[in-house]
Amino acid sequence: GAGVSQSPSNKVTEKGKDVELRCDPISGHTALYWYRQSLGQGLEFLIYFQGNSAPDKSGLPSDRFSAERTGGSVSTLTIQRTQQEDSAVYLCASSLNGRNIQYFGAGTRLSVL
Amino acid sequence: TQLLEQSPQFLSIQEGENLTVYCNSSSVFSSLQWYRQEPGEGPVLLVTVVTGGEVKKLKRLTFQFGDARKDSSLHITAAQPGDTGLYLCAGGNNNDMRFGAGTRLTVKP
Repeated sequence: GAGVSQSPSNKVTEKGKDVELRCDPISGHTALYWYRQSLGQGLEFLIYFQGNSAPDKSGLPSDRFSAERTGGSVSTLTIQRTQQEDSAVYLCASSLNGRNIQYFGAGTRLSVL
Repeated sequence: TQLLEQSPQFLSIQEGENLTVYCNSSSVFSSLQWYRQEPGEGPVLLVTVVTGGEVKKLKRLTFQFGDARKDSSLHITAAQPGDTGLYLCAGGNNNDMRFGAGTRLTVKP
């Protein structure tokens, strides 16, 4: 499809393990965002990529969180040594540029046991 | 601290009632967007407002951007159960948009 694709849709892991979440944005979109949404809550901004500029990492909650965007397209959010409080839905969005409509994927539901 | 404050956080009403939710900030935005998110899905854009004082209508939904472009409201007339969801506002400047925490609306039949 032509929308934002996230994988896996669900991820169950044990405390202390590392996880990688993937986002395939809409082709041609230069801006890519990662958000975290805890159960029943709004969106918590994590990181923002815009073209070749240095990413805005101001929302990352700790140094266990990191993200990369390779070739200006696919992005991977990595959480090291997962904790139970990391359990949430991780949403990715892309936009044509930073000012335009954000198109969201369906998210990855992460459960840390 | 949220850049955008949304109120109320939760709202539960009966079908047919009217309601207004708010999005406020101390910052001026070049544009503001409203999204709705249903369970298990990502947010979907409802409207974008760019001009201070602008009013946009989408069927039973009326969106207003404040004159100073710091705040916005969403009014729903004769709410229906299908309006249930999380309503998010997002304000934009320069090259990015940031979201409020949302208003979770439940419309009971």
